[in-house]
Amino acid sequence: KAGVTQTPRYLIKTRGQQVTLSCSPISGHRSVSWYQQTPGQGLQFLFEYFSETQRNKGNFPGRFSGRQFSNSRSEMNVSTLELGDSALYLCASSLATGAGNTIYFGEGSWLTVV
Amino acid sequence: GENVEQHPSTLSVQEGDSAVIKCTYSDSASNYFPWYKQELGKGPQLIIDIRSNVGEKKDQRIAVTLNKTAKHFSLHITETQPEDSAVYFCAVSRNSGNTPLVFGKGTRLSVIA
Repeated sequence: KAGVTQTPRYLIKTRGQQVTLSCSPISGHRSVSWYQQTPGQGLQFLFEYFSETQRNKGNFPGRFSGRQFSNSRSEMNVSTLELGDSALYLCASSLATGAGNTIYFGEGSWLTVV
Repeated sequence: GENVEQHPSTLSVQEGDSAVIKCTYSDSASNYFPWYKQELGKGPQLIIDIRSNVGEKKDQRIAVTLNKTAKHFSLHITETQPEDSAVYFCAVSRNSGNTPLVFGKGTRLSVIA
């Protein structure tokens, strides 16, 4: 059974640009969450999607957005990139939404903003 | 909101020794406590989790203990091996509602052969 797949794995962007990251959840999983990981702040929750609806959102500015498609695949977008957006962006999937569901992470997308 | 403290931030042990990592949390309503292992260049991997209706759970060399009264839980790794070297994260959430996992800052474990 394939795990959570994220693309691209590595990318470099310039300040002010925008970026789109993609995530394919484990087959059968309908909930997708996104986390940002940095050395200083650790793992921080961005948002969760279930059945194409955003169920929860973390404390990030509106430049961070996401969506989920009918096949449960998800994308997140960051507009007007800042140097501080450089991070590992992790996608995680679970069978269902709601706290207490076991989540499984992908390998992440490394974003560098220069 | 929930606050999770994880200690120590770094830990070095000799191969074959035990390693213990401890996390404390603030929300008494929290009742789901997973642990993740993250190797260099990879995403976090779930290694064990516990729910508040049990006090201890074991899986081969890994165990987690939970003290709900004191609001802390610990990861125990026995007979450590070099491949156990990684960053370990604890996390906390509730079983109900839409609260996401809140993670500790991580512990870098080095197992010295």
